[in-house]
Amino acid sequence: GAGVSQSPSNKVTEKGKDVELRCDPISGHTALYWYRQSLGQGLEFLIYFQGNSAPDKSGLPSDRFSAERTGGSVSTLTIQRTQQEDSAVYLCASSLAQGGGYTFGSGTRLTVV
Amino acid sequence: RKEVEQDPGPFNVPEGATVAFNCTYSNSASQSFFWYRQDCRKEPKLLMSVYSSGNEDGRFTAQLNRASQYISLLIRDSKLSDSATYLCVVRVSGGYQKVTFGIGTKLQVIP
Repeated sequence: GAGVSQSPSNKVTEKGKDVELRCDPISGHTALYWYRQSLGQGLEFLIYFQGNSAPDKSGLPSDRFSAERTGGSVSTLTIQRTQQEDSAVYLCASSLAQGGGYTFGSGTRLTVV
Repeated sequence: RKEVEQDPGPFNVPEGATVAFNCTYSNSASQSFFWYRQDCRKEPKLLMSVYSSGNEDGRFTAQLNRASQYISLLIRDSKLSDSATYLCVVRVSGGYQKVTFGIGTKLQVIP
């Protein structure tokens, strides 16, 4: 696609439920990143994909968080047993492996109630 | 020490003023540098890359000082529409492109 697409744009879920967030990067971008941003805070790195592999998942805050990427394209971030502190905007970005800037999606605003 | 450090501000400047932000980085292997702009409740968007020789885009000038490990962004003739948070981004290229974002510097241009 022309840009990075994320869905859903907003998600309200009850504490304890699982959620799946989707990112569809720009076609041809092999690098994909997930970040989250709490209100008024900076970007918190979660995980990086190069193709389908994740050389750096050091930012995942707990084992309730997991992510996968298939076909070198779409990525899904899954949060199990959501907690209120998971409430944030989850941003996905993609880039060409050989450099250049990143393009961000418009994010998924997750609210855990 | 954080990998990328920025003064969070806010910087409150009058319209027409010139304002400069610095960003320091700790990894000497850093190779690519960018400035991103983030408007309130929006995603970050690339403002400009930063090249070794320095580069200019209209009212914006970016510079890199490898010896002192910092990059800067200069905004001339500030407009109200420049009000945003400016994020410094550093990437270590190679087999694994580790990317680090600064916390951002908030700029408020006032009439």
